[in-house]
Amino acid sequence: GDQVEQSPSALSLHEGTGSALRCNFTTTMRAVQWFRKNSRGSLINLFYLASGTKENGRLKSAFDSKERYSTLHIRDAQLEDSGTYFCAASNYNVLYFGSGTKLTVEP
Amino acid sequence: GGIITQTPKFLIGQEGQKLTLKCQQNFNHDTMYWYRQDSGKGLRLIYYSITENDLQKGDLSEGYDASREKKSSFSLTVTSAQKNEMAVFLCASSIHLGQGSTEVFFGKGTRLTVV
Repeated sequence: GDQVEQSPSALSLHEGTGSALRCNFTTTMRAVQWFRKNSRGSLINLFYLASGTKENGRLKSAFDSKERYSTLHIRDAQLEDSGTYFCAASNYNVLYFGSGTKLTVEP
Repeated sequence: GGIITQTPKFLIGQEGQKLTLKCQQNFNHDTMYWYRQDSGKGLRLIYYSITENDLQKGDLSEGYDASREKKSSFSLTVTSAQKNEMAVFLCASSIHLGQGSTEVFFGKGTRLTVV
């Protein structure tokens, strides 16, 4: 069954605004990764967290293993942020993927 | 740093054909994976391997074989290509820490089209 539920499936933002993506897990996970799929279909590593929060530029991610969720916050969205974002949670070396969030940033 | 190289980048096959995808990594990682990505869906695990000659089935192993010939390489075989099948196959690798979890790195993918 699906171990990772990612929401929303699609998100539209105006430039300069922000929002959050969320993944809920049906079981306890040891770590989470967030990826962005580029135009060629390659997965770009954004964050890896075993706990707590990490920030990189306009992106910030949090992972709470006990509460079984992770979030990815985007602030001051830019046109080049458009793309599909995936969360993936790992347990014993196997990654379980969410179904993705298609982000569209509009002028 | 390191790199994961998948070959070929594009693969066109015929229905019923046996097709092999290759993956090499120079991270010196222990664990390697094969995932399949279909349009509009998340990645699904086909096979993974935690060391040379090891093989573990994922959720989507039926219809595939895999082989971990050496630590740096992991190949995937589609045993009988299905007509009109289109998907991207992604190879990945990570350090193995017993029952722990570590960051996973992905290759750029092999795009399969079956005619």
